[in-house]
Amino acid sequence: ETGVTQTPRHLVMGMTNKKSLKCEQHLGHNAMYWYKQSAKKPLELMFVYSLEERVENNSVPSRFSPECPNSSHLFLHLHTLQPEDSALYLCASSQGLALEQYFGPGTRLTVT
Amino acid sequence: GIQVEQSPPDLILQEGANSTLRCNFSDSVNNLQWFHQNPWGQLINLFYIPSGTKQNGRLSATTVATERYSLLYISSSQTTDSGVYFCAGDRGSTLGRLYFGRGTQLTVWP
Repeated sequence: ETGVTQTPRHLVMGMTNKKSLKCEQHLGHNAMYWYKQSAKKPLELMFVYSLEERVENNSVPSRFSPECPNSSHLFLHLHTLQPEDSALYLCASSQGLALEQYFGPGTRLTVT
Repeated sequence: GIQVEQSPPDLILQEGANSTLRCNFSDSVNNLQWFHQNPWGQLINLFYIPSGTKQNGRLSATTVATERYSLLYISSSQTTDSGVYFCAGDRGSTLGRLYFGRGTQLTVWP
């Protein structure tokens, strides 16, 4: 059981589709993160939100659009993705930027 | 960014064996964490260990911050310990941005 949940757990989408990934944390944290895990590569940070403000955008293509409506929810909106965007997308949260991060179970995305 | 080197990349053990995993950082890090990724992709927090030594059951970890490395010890391995072990840390100038190693793939046979 985890304090960070992600939906959907699996997603297959075409390159012209628009979809959204959802993350919810039940830990009372105030910072949330999106990471990408591709095969054969280390986990890469995509976005960081602290107190619902984006504080880091790690040179991510504009086809990925994050949204943080409140401190408990984080979304990643996807549109016109490429096959190389297929990966495991992980959400994390922490109480403050400088403290331990807790991860959700991830969404395994396949772009066809 | 920070380079994170984990060794060994792969480790195969018989149940009951002990092992040591290592993590080297190219620069000083804060907030060093160890994770276990299960076959379904979930990252499980093992240790939050910026410095010193901690123990949790059969697992223990030691971080020597001044020498920029951390060790994870697994004693009396069980098949359920199989999976990928990651270390990660951030640095003061980019708080919250965890830099991950490529992981150690551990396989424990019965």
